[in-house]
Amino acid sequence: DIQMTQSPSSLSASVGDRVTITCRASQGISNYLAWYQQKPGKVPKLLIYAASTLQSGVPSRFSGSGSGTDFTLTISSLQPEDVATYYCQKYNSALTFGGGTKVEIK
Amino acid sequence: EVQLVQSGAEVKKPGESLKISCKGSGYSFTSYWIGWVRQMPGKGLEWMGIIYPGDSDTRYSPSFQGQVTISADKSISTAYLQWSSLKASDTAMYYCARRGYYDSSGYYVQGAFDIWGQGTMVTVSS
Repeated sequence: DIQMTQSPSSLSASVGDRVTITCRASQGISNYLAWYQQKPGKVPKLLIYAASTLQSGVPSRFSGSGSGTDFTLTISSLQPEDVATYYCQKYNSALTFGGGTKVEIK
Repeated sequence: EVQLVQSGAEVKKPGESLKISCKGSGYSFTSYWIGWVRQMPGKGLEWMGIIYPGDSDTRYSPSFQGQVTISADKSISTAYLQWSSLKASDTAMYYCARRGYYDSSGYYVQGAFDIWGQGTMVTVSS
């Protein structure tokens, strides 16, 4: 089975900072990669699919990149409302999630 | 409005059976895969399995194969997640989610989970 590893597991950054989260697949998955945001006590929300396509309605400060085994989610200017846990997910064959990255404000 | 509405919270005893539901509306329920996702308290998301309500084709994560049963009744646009004998370790929030989209050519892309239900909390305790 392909494993999805996210790093870091948590981070703390200041408002306005550029934040980058990494997701690594144990084998190549082309661009079959999604990113989700889950705010505390809330339902997960799709941010990005196909590694870099922004879901409708998602702020443009979020972006995704990568292909094959290495992927990144970038928040260009961290906002207070971005406090959440972020998950990557592969969706070719098994729909495995990464372990999550908790983002907090410093 | 496209939405998935899940059944309410459940409190059960170990060994009991349970079936929770996920009702779709605002779209063609039989034309999209529906998935189930587990989130144990304070933990991450785990994919359990998916079903295509159009023909009930079902796929399970190896971690959940044999532990749960996923089904659907297309006549009432509802998907189900079922346990025959609950354990304390089944205590978790369970989400259903719609998978994929149709592109500009009308081709179905088996993509990510774009619409999520509100979640059903299942508590198993003696």
